[in-house]
Amino acid sequence: AQSVSQHNHHVILSEAASLELGCNYSYGGTVNLFWYVQYPGQHLQLLLKYFSGDPLVKGIKGFEAEFIKSKFSFNLRKPSVQWSDTAEYFCAVSEGSSNTGKLIFGQGTTLQVKP
Amino acid sequence: EAGVTQSPTHLIKTRGQQATLRCSPISGHTSVYWYQQALGLGLQFLLWYDEGEERNRGNFPPRFSGRQFPNYSSELNVNALELEDSALYLCASSLGAASYNEQFFGPGTRLTVL
Repeated sequence: AQSVSQHNHHVILSEAASLELGCNYSYGGTVNLFWYVQYPGQHLQLLLKYFSGDPLVKGIKGFEAEFIKSKFSFNLRKPSVQWSDTAEYFCAVSEGSSNTGKLIFGQGTTLQVKP
Repeated sequence: EAGVTQSPTHLIKTRGQQATLRCSPISGHTSVYWYQQALGLGLQFLLWYDEGEERNRGNFPPRFSGRQFPNYSSELNVNALELEDSALYLCASSLGAASYNEQFFGPGTRLTVL
């Protein structure tokens, strides 16, 4: 069965520190990859997505992610975090070749940025 | 542009009752998705509707059902409620059925089963 694993459940950083959140998936076929963010009191919103092409994807608010097919990974990065990045981050995968409508989510990573 | 809306915000039911949750997609979106976010289980895919038809369902019992109306809004019905149905139910919509379409999420309905 397909699954998504986020290795870090809770990350605490100081402002200006660099961020990398790990995401690995298990599926042998073509995939679409997403990172969603949920700020406190708000609903899930898309940070960035990968469907094809350049494996380095840039999203909103200075976030980027790199798809490494050989490692089944799609790690999220930001060079310098801000207090406003405090949120829960979810990695998600959908099948690329057959449309099931289903997003498979990781368990989420809570990021706390200290001012 | 209005986002995905869901009602009610909170719903409290007792075991054995039925719950009805509603979702209005973003204008122009034809696909609606339902997810359950239960404590400790993460976000689990429940149902997908597109153009009024159920296209796929997740690994949930048949007492979870729903429908999509001609205006693309959707209802999720949960019959014979059980305590473990207590969760946040999220609705999402997308522009069409292609797998690369972004799913836009609503704020959710918090269902509590007593």
